[in-house]
Amino acid sequence: DARVTQTPRHKVTEMGQEVTMRCQPILGHNTVFWYRQTMMQGLELLAYFRNRAPLDDSGMPKDRFSAEMPDATLATLKIQPSEPRDSAVYFCASGLVGSFAGELFFGEGSRLTVL
Amino acid sequence: AQKITQTQPGMFVQEKEAVTLDCTYDTSDQSYGLFWYKQPSSGEMIFLIYQGSYDEQNATEGRYSLNFQKARKSANLVISASQLGDSAMYFCAMRGGNEKLTFGTGTRLTIIP
Repeated sequence: DARVTQTPRHKVTEMGQEVTMRCQPILGHNTVFWYRQTMMQGLELLAYFRNRAPLDDSGMPKDRFSAEMPDATLATLKIQPSEPRDSAVYFCASGLVGSFAGELFFGEGSRLTVL
Repeated sequence: AQKITQTQPGMFVQEKEAVTLDCTYDTSDQSYGLFWYKQPSSGEMIFLIYQGSYDEQNATEGRYSLNFQKARKSANLVISASQLGDSAMYFCAMRGGNEKLTFGTGTRLTIIP
């Protein structure tokens, strides 16, 4: 049963620390999205990749966030330094480009708490 | 720019009744897709149903159907014969030519026994 895998599932850290979240997309999918979910803002698109190339990261705070896909099986989202306002659930999703019928498959999310 | 509007923050429905969750959208794209996702209390996002902008028939998936009215730019989700397990947050989303999936603010559905 193919699924998107995210690690860690939960992370508690102190302000100023570096946080790295990892995502393994479904094999064969060529788009990867990072979303952030908070009560106040809902689901926000942070960045997305097609064929490992970053297409849009306009939703991401550039000074502290970075997203990469070092290979087709791994996407990373890094926050350095982390701040309490970064506390949220971060979702990774993957899908196939070129077809509107291609739904996005979501991972279970990484719940981040920054103290 | 794409925008999804869900005007019902919360809904309470008696078990076994049908429920309609509202969704309107705005886009300048000619081709687009509309999606509904369910998020139970456990937090995962579960894909429910998809409707393409050129699809002439309303999409159906089991107890879920999408009432697509293109001229009104609405894509309401209809759940028939609701069950206790349907209690969750429901998100309407749209994907346009730029491939981004834009979400609405969601509707929290509570099924009452």
